[in-house]
Amino acid sequence: NAGVTQTPKFQVLKTGQSMTLQCAQDMNHNSMYWYRQDPGMGLRLIYYSASEGTTDKGEVPNGYNVSRLNKREFSLRLESAAPSQTSVYFCASVEGGDSYEQYFGPGTRLTVT
Amino acid sequence: AQSVTQLGSHVSVSEGALVLLRCNYSSSVPPYLFWYVQYPNQGLQLLLKYTSAATLVKGINGFEAEFKKSETSFHLTKPSAHMRDAAEYFCAVSEEYPLTFGKGTMLLVSP
Repeated sequence: NAGVTQTPKFQVLKTGQSMTLQCAQDMNHNSMYWYRQDPGMGLRLIYYSASEGTTDKGEVPNGYNVSRLNKREFSLRLESAAPSQTSVYFCASVEGGDSYEQYFGPGTRLTVT
Repeated sequence: AQSVTQLGSHVSVSEGALVLLRCNYSSSVPPYLFWYVQYPNQGLQLLLKYTSAATLVKGINGFEAEFKKSETSFHLTKPSAHMRDAAEYFCAVSEEYPLTFGKGTMLLVSP
């Protein structure tokens, strides 16, 4: 099992450009999450998908959109990137039910100039 | 609503010394509690979790944590620090989806 995979690992964008961060998990988990990590801020939830076909906003959703393409894949889109979106982005998945343990991907380091 | 407070954004210890990282939580119901570790340029990895079984939980790499309901705490300890323990540690609570994470504590280990 690869676990949770994310692409790309690194990306540099200019202000106003758009891009999609990809996330996939092969553990047949129901729930998937997108976080951003900034120094001193910990992890902040952007969006999550409790199950296939549903998505909900987290703590910091502005400037982002998500798609739960199928049970395996959950993508995060920046329509018009801003320097404030420079961050490290992590995807995570949870089996669901009584299991709350989150499994994390390796992260995408995004810089917006 | 659930919340987590980690006391100290940075903790410095000498190699061989006791490691103590503090975590206090707020939850309206008995929660599940977690400690995650993040090594430089990597994702988060589960160290240990409390799920209402034993109050003293043992994790990987010699770490353990004790759930104290009366103190609403879940502090992480390790008797003897190693250089390889230098990383950022996150406490998380879950009474409902999704997890709420603390802001993290960076553990610095000096020779």
